[in-house]
Amino acid sequence: QQQVKQSPQSLIVQKGGISIINCAYENTAFDYFPWYQQFPGKGPALLIAIRPDVSEKKEGRFTISFNKSAKQFSLHIMDSQPGDSATYFCAASRNNYQLIWGAGTKLIIKP
Amino acid sequence: DSGVTQTPKHLITATGQRVTLRCSPRSGDLSVYWYQQSLDQGLQFLIHYYNGEERAKGNILERFSAQQFPDLHSELNLSSLELGDSALYFCASSPRTSGGGFFGPGTRLTVL
Repeated sequence: QQQVKQSPQSLIVQKGGISIINCAYENTAFDYFPWYQQFPGKGPALLIAIRPDVSEKKEGRFTISFNKSAKQFSLHIMDSQPGDSATYFCAASRNNYQLIWGAGTKLIIKP
Repeated sequence: DSGVTQTPKHLITATGQRVTLRCSPRSGDLSVYWYQQSLDQGLQFLIHYYNGEERAKGNILERFSAQQFPDLHSELNLSSLELGDSALYFCASSPRTSGGGFFGPGTRLTVL
């Protein structure tokens, strides 16, 4: 019940396309859902995060969609660029406890 | 730059040896988290310290230990090293007990 399942494991998108990464969780007590971006050889960096009281949050080309009833949330990257090529991790936590991490998605944007 | 520093950047050692990885959190952050990331793998949570006290343990081997000092920097000690311990080790800091936070650049450990 503590798991966060992330899919797909890898994703190839053409430049200018929409990249979509999905995560699902079981624990309804989770109340914080961040996405992290990691470039090779670097530490993960917080990209965008959402709390379950909203269904969508947008920051620039990055949008989190949150479906509380389905216990799913997803990251959409609009107008994907080669510089977006990285590994993306979703995560979840409750009551400010430690994050439960997804397995990661390796995203490649083809020019 | 996240404000979290980790030393050394790279470490090459032999099996059976012991190493110490160091992490300095962002100014004011009380929490330090340690993670292990093997090649092309996800993040494995190891341990969390908050203001000097251990708060949570993840998949940390008994050969590994950590501590957080009064100045809030943290050290991760890895002993009796095995080939499989080769990985990137990240620390992250945050102002509260919430996980994630800001990650350091990592220490790449290679065990030969």
